[in-house]
Amino acid sequence: EDQVTQSPEALRLQEGESSSLNCSYTVSGLRGLFWYRQDPGKGPEFLFTLYSAGEEKEKERLKATLTKKESFLHITAPKPEDSATYLCAVFMDQGGKLIFGQGTELSVKP
Amino acid sequence: ETGVTQSPTHLIKTRGQQVTLRCSSQSGHNTVSWYQQALGQGPQFIFQYYREEENGRGNFPPRFSGLQFPNYSSELNVNALELDDSALYLCASSLGGPNSYGYTFGSGTRLTVV
Repeated sequence: EDQVTQSPEALRLQEGESSSLNCSYTVSGLRGLFWYRQDPGKGPEFLFTLYSAGEEKEKERLKATLTKKESFLHITAPKPEDSATYLCAVFMDQGGKLIFGQGTELSVKP
Repeated sequence: ETGVTQSPTHLIKTRGQQVTLRCSSQSGHNTVSWYQQALGQGPQFIFQYYREEENGRGNFPPRFSGLQFPNYSSELNVNALELDDSALYLCASSLGGPNSYGYTFGSGTRLTVV
């Protein structure tokens, strides 16, 4: 069964304390892996797409990496405004479907 | 501004009723997908429409149905509402067809079934 699992479920950091979020997947027909940011009551906001193992992408304090079985979202020196739920999703071969993990709720305290 | 507008933003319905949720996409976005997001969970794929035809469906019963219109708007209809249908419903549209990576999400409709 196609599955995406994120860990940890919740993460509390102090401002400036770097950390990583994990997304592991077991799917067939992976065409890409997405990271989204979601603020409360809002829709997911696109951050990155990764297509192949070894690929890395960066945006401000965020860096996403991909291996054959998992992806990491590294957050360097986070700020309170980085507080949100971070979702990863795999894009499937058939029907343009995204399979999402359950998300990691990140809280950054000043 | 995401370019994908959903209405209403919030809705309260009684168990057994029917509901229609609406999504308005940017011009040219010929593909729309609907997702259900329960509290504390990731979104789950309901179905996708491409050029007004259903292109794929997730593990949802037939009482979840949809329509896509030529003006790039779409609807999600849910019949015989159940308490477990309470969730945030998201639509996502794309310009490049079902296999395009460029999906833009709306802000969602929060449905509460009592």
